[in-house]
Amino acid sequence: SQQGEEDPQALSIQEGENATMNCSYKTSINNLQWYRQNSGRGLVHLILIRSNEREKHSGRLRVTLDTSKKSSSLLITASRAADTASYFCATDASAGNMLTFGGGTRLMVKP
Amino acid sequence: DGGITQSPKYLFRKEGQNVTLSCEQNLNHDAMYWYRQDPGQGLRLIYYSQIVNDFQKGDIAEGYSVSREKKESFPLTVTSAQKNPTAFYLCASSMGQNQPQHFGDGTRLSIL
Repeated sequence: SQQGEEDPQALSIQEGENATMNCSYKTSINNLQWYRQNSGRGLVHLILIRSNEREKHSGRLRVTLDTSKKSSSLLITASRAADTASYFCATDASAGNMLTFGGGTRLMVKP
Repeated sequence: DGGITQSPKYLFRKEGQNVTLSCEQNLNHDAMYWYRQDPGQGLRLIYYSQIVNDFQKGDIAEGYSVSREKKESFPLTVTSAQKNPTAFYLCASSMGQNQPQHFGDGTRLSIL
């Protein structure tokens, strides 16, 4: 079963616009992580946010975490065509850093 | 450059055949993981290993086997018991708790 579920499943925007992706999960977590996957490639880690944190930034990325609602969001500001990829949230609810992945959001940024 | 290397990039399996996917890391990470990804889906955990000579089943271990004889290596065997092996297989490693996972570029397995 998948702990995290992303919304929307697909998103198409113009270059320069902001993209927001949401993730919901079911159980208590140690941390929540966001990853990016280009077509046919492995995943690249973007941001890890711990359960006691509410917001983290990395360049054009902003992640929020609301543990009371069991939800997280990833905001990409001033998007670029190169941001086109699938984005996955993953939750760590174990003692062994095992991640449970959602189904992903497929983002297309049109030039 | 440190990283994770998966080989081969593409692999074809005949009926009744076992095939082994290679995963090597030079990041000095203790923990290693194998995931399966089906088209348009997220990742599902097959096996993981927290330390050499120890590994645990993930959510979909049936039809797969692993070994962890060296810290750097975590090969995955897809056995003939796995009836639907066509998928994209990803290997990852991490330093441990509250640390991100680092992924290889995957092996795409298909049935002949």
